[in-house]
Amino acid sequence: AQSVAQPEDQVNVAEGNPLTVKCTYSVSGNPYLFWYVQYPNRGLQFLLKYITGDNLVKGSYGFEAEFNKSQTSFHLKKPSALVSDSALYFCAVRVHSGNTPLVFGKGTRLSVIA
Amino acid sequence: SAVISQKPSRDICQRGTSLTIQCQVDSQVTMMFWYRQQPGQSLTLIATANQGSEATYESGFVIDKFPISRPNLTFSTLTVSNMSPEDSSIYLCSVLTNRGDTQYFGPGTRLTVL
Repeated sequence: AQSVAQPEDQVNVAEGNPLTVKCTYSVSGNPYLFWYVQYPNRGLQFLLKYITGDNLVKGSYGFEAEFNKSQTSFHLKKPSALVSDSALYFCAVRVHSGNTPLVFGKGTRLSVIA
Repeated sequence: SAVISQKPSRDICQRGTSLTIQCQVDSQVTMMFWYRQQPGQSLTLIATANQGSEATYESGFVIDKFPISRPNLTFSTLTVSNMSPEDSSIYLCSVLTNRGDTQYFGPGTRLTVL
């Protein structure tokens, strides 16, 4: 079975500081890993993904994430947070093969304070 | 990517009634999924909508309560039947493109049951 853990319900960071939103996963086989963002009263927007290749992947709005196979982690990072980054962030995983649906973490609410 | 629209965007319904949610995609897609997001919670997969055959439901979800249709490769409907206040949620349509790695989401339907 696949699962995703986001250990923090809430992350607070000052504007301009670096931010990290944590994610660990469990799958049988090689994972596809994703980050999505949800702004208030909006659907989920795709941010970035790891499929294969370079462990550091870059995505939309200056976000990046690092795949760490030994630690089974895929933490989301941004060097300098903006107030507009405040939103709900979801990590998701599925197995490498097959058209299986994503399994989501519980979400982490990011609050960037001016 | 894929552009996904959902109708209605929101509705307020009386208990015991049914609501059908429509999902339209701007291109043919391999897979379509329906998720539920209860207030302040993560996304839970309801079912995979299969074109030309019965949907595949996840544990805890049944066809009598959540009948799904998928008449072609760009359209699906989810019906929430005999609604109760516990069905109040955001219902999200999601698609897996033919390239097969990234899932995209519709804007969601916010349902309130009184």
